[in-house]
Order: sequence, then structure tokens, then C-alpha cells
Amino acid sequence: NAGVTQTPKFRVLKTGQSMTLLCAQDMNHEYMYWYRQDPGMGLRLIHYSVGEGTTAKGEVPDGYNVSRLKKQNFLLGLESAAPSQTSVYFCASSHTTVLRRKTGELFFGEGSRLTVL
Amino acid sequence: AQKITQTQPGMFVQEKEAVTLDCTYDTSDQSYGLFWYKQPSSGEMIFLIYQGSYDEQNATEGRYSLNFQKARKSANLVISASQLGDSAMYFCAMREGNWDSSNTGKLIFGQGTTLQVKP
Repeated sequence: NAGVTQTPKFRVLKTGQSMTLLCAQDMNHEYMYWYRQDPGMGLRLIHYSVGEGTTAKGEVPDGYNVSRLKKQNFLLGLESAAPSQTSVYFCASSHTTVLRRKTGELFFGEGSRLTVL
Repeated sequence: AQKITQTQPGMFVQEKEAVTLDCTYDTSDQSYGLFWYKQPSSGEMIFLIYQGSYDEQNATEGRYSLNFQKARKSANLVISASQLGDSAMYFCAMREGNWDSSNTGKLIFGQGTTLQVKP
């Protein structure tokens, strides 16, 4: 069971470069999320999606774009990377209540460590 | 505004002893869910335990229990009989609203508490 898979795991960028983080889940989850983790700040929601073709902004969306063209994939893009975007990025997914998942906990990928120089 | 506060940046506990990790939350919703996740040094996020705001009993999962005090808006994690493998960062998180088709399922997280278990 792959669960939630993120690629790449590590990346170093120069300021101004662009890149895309890919998240893929094989659990047929409707909901998907992108978080960033910074020391002392916990995880903060960047963008999320409640279904194929839909996206919405989270707490810290500036400088990022997302797309959900296929149900199983959720892409996070940085058009012009900045040092402030140095972080560990986590993708997560969850069931909807339709599947009677009582808790609705998020299932996380292993994280992608991004450094912007 | 919804908020999760974990006031203990770091904690130490002796192996085989119990430890309590604090979590307080702020929400104006009557319905919400509270979660605890564990993040070992390897980096993955592991779901530990869940408590619904209307659950009458405190949640338990093996050595983990959640001390839910609704009036105080606290949801502390209790780990009994600590093991070396419990050394990790622990995050408290909250989902506001009823868990139904209108809920986006997003969680807000606290800052985390690093737990070190001493042999």
C-alpha cells in the first residue's frame, strides 16, 4: 500500500526558480491538502481540494498555486521561489464522511524538504 | 478565530513513566474534532488518537489516552508506560464543525511538543 506519495523528497532551488511538487494518493480519497512545516510554527495549510477540479486557499497561500486535474493527484507549484519558502511540505488526504469514516483523520505523505537559496 | 496552543516546546520523561502533553484550543463551534499526531525523527506524521466534541468518554488507544476537558478547552495527550520509541514531536490538531458533507476536513495544528524519553 503506497498511501500518499510525494515527489521529490528533497530539492534545492535558487531564488526565482520554479518547481512543482507532486502528491499522489491511491486510497480514492476525495479531500487533499498541502501543508508546510516550519520550526516552532507547526503545520500550516497552504491550499486544499475537496474534489477533482476544485481547489481553495488555506492559511498561507501566497506564492503557491495548486491544481487537481485528477482525483488521485494534487500538485503544488512555486512560480518564483523565495527563501521564505524554504520548508518541509506535506501532502495529506482524507475520506469524506460518505464513507462513514468517523474521525476523518488526515493521511500524510513523507514530506518534501525544499531549500531556496 | 480557531487556534491550537501547545505551551511545552520540549518535555523529558523517564522510560516506563507516564507523561502528559498539553493542548488547549479555541473555537466558537459547538461541534469539532481533536486529533493528536506523532512525528518521529524520520519525519512522517502518524495519527494517534481522536476525540469528538460530543464524545462523552475520553478517547483511548492502547497506551495513548486523551484527557478531554471541554469547559477548559483542553485536550491533553497522556502516554502511559513511556518507551524509547515514543521520543518524537507531537502535534495537537483541531477540525471545526460537524464531520459531514459540508466539512472540508481541514485541520489546524499547534506548534508541537518534542518529547524525549530517557532510558
